[in-house]
Amino acid sequence: AQKVTQAQTEISVVEKEDVTLDCVYETRDTTYYLFWYKQPPSGELVFLIRRNSFDEQNEISGRYSWNFQKSTSSFNFTITASQVVDSAVYFCALRDNNNDMRFGAGTRLTVKP
Amino acid sequence: DAGVTQSPTHLIKTRGQHVTLRCSPISGHKSVSWYQQVLGQGPQFIFQYYEKEERGRGNFPDRFSARQFPNYSSELNVNALLLGDSALYLCASSSPTTGVGTDTQYFGPGTRLTVL
Repeated sequence: AQKVTQAQTEISVVEKEDVTLDCVYETRDTTYYLFWYKQPPSGELVFLIRRNSFDEQNEISGRYSWNFQKSTSSFNFTITASQVVDSAVYFCALRDNNNDMRFGAGTRLTVKP
Repeated sequence: DAGVTQSPTHLIKTRGQHVTLRCSPISGHKSVSWYQQVLGQGPQFIFQYYEKEERGRGNFPDRFSARQFPNYSSELNVNALLLGDSALYLCASSSPTTGVGTDTQYFGPGTRLTVL
C-alpha cells in the first residue's frame, strides 16, 4: 500500500541552526515520484522538489538539500542556516502507479529569531 | 504568468446544502487535480482530470463530483454537505509530458469551506 510517514509533527529551532525533516515512504511500485511541498500560513502549497525513483542523486538548491535513499525508503530534507521565513508546514508526498498523490501528515517547522 | 486560481476564497454553508468550487489552471496546463485538506492533516486526493476525462479518483463518496471544461478549468461539486466536509479544498494544475502520473502539480491558494 502507498504510504508516507513524517514522524516529526513539530520542530522548533533557532535562526541559523540546521534542521532535517524526515520522510519515509512505502510503495510496491518500482517507478514512483517523491515530492516536497512547503505550506506557509497563507495556505498555498509551494512546490520545492520532485525526484523519480531512478534518480538517487542528492540535490542541493541554495540552503535546501535532499537526501534520497531507496535502501531505507527515505527522502529527507535539510535546511541549512534556517531563517524565520522558513517557518511553515512541510509536506512530503509520493506518487506511484496509482496515479494519486499521497501526502504525509506534515511537519510544522518554527524558526525563532 | 498567473498561477492557479480558485474561487471563492471562503465559503460558509449549512448541512445538506450543495457547493461548487472553481479552479483555473496555469496557462498551458491540461490537467487539474482536487485535494481536501482537513485542519492539521496533509491534503487528500479527490480527483484528477486530464483533457476533460477523469484519470484518477480518491476514496471519497459519490457526493463528490467534478468536471473539466474545454478551457481546462474545473469545478468540484459536493452535495448533501456534512460537518466533516469542512476543509481547505486545493486545486492543482499540471502539464503531463510523459504521461499522467509523472507530472509536477502546482497548487492554488485553496477555498476554505465551513459547513455549519
